[in-house]
Amino acid sequence: GAVVSQHPSRVICKSGTSVKIECRSLDFQATTMFWYRQFPKKSLMLMATSNEGSKATYEQGVEKDKFLINHASLTLSTLTVTSAHPEDSSFYICSARGHRAGYGYTFGSGTRLTVV
Amino acid sequence: AQSVTQLDSQVPVFEEAPVELRCNYSSSVSVYLFWYVQYPNQGLQLLLKYLSGSTLVESINGFEAEFNKSQTSFHLRKPSVHISDTAEYFCAVSEISSYDKVIFGPGTSLSVIP
Repeated sequence: GAVVSQHPSRVICKSGTSVKIECRSLDFQATTMFWYRQFPKKSLMLMATSNEGSKATYEQGVEKDKFLINHASLTLSTLTVTSAHPEDSSFYICSARGHRAGYGYTFGSGTRLTVV
Repeated sequence: AQSVTQLDSQVPVFEEAPVELRCNYSSSVSVYLFWYVQYPNQGLQLLLKYLSGSTLVESINGFEAEFNKSQTSFHLRKPSVHISDTAEYFCAVSEISSYDKVIFGPGTSLSVIP
């Protein structure tokens, strides 16, 4: 149980275009989802926390207009990188949490975004 | 706010030798603690977690970690490592609150030498 599917696993896009990444909880209802960014050889940086049906809470320094997060249902959250630039190239990982603290914290397999 | 420190960025160890990966955290409230493993170009996998109860927690592949509240530590250990244990290991902490966001340490790269 507690499976999180993240799609796509890899995406290459042109500079200036937008890219959407999906995060789905397959067998549980995710009341909260988290989006992380990981730079090469670096740890994961929390970008934002999203709760179903409400606006996402962004961490300091993260541009909310650039990284649009939508959590429209209890099983799906999306991260849209708008007007992507090469410096947005990174590994993005989502995490979903269920109702019980010990039930969630399941991570998706990540999305490698390359902006050319 | 909570924070996590992993003092060793890289740990080389010979196959079948024991290993300890250190983790210390800082928080003003009670926390949950986790160890995650990441293999190259993959997502994170939960290795083990401490929520409450016994301070010694074990994973299915021979790793164990002990929660020490007085030292605010959650070190990861394995008595005999395999080549397949080569990976990046992240210690993480989550304050017990309504949103429980998980904050990661900088990671420790474990390299097992044949």
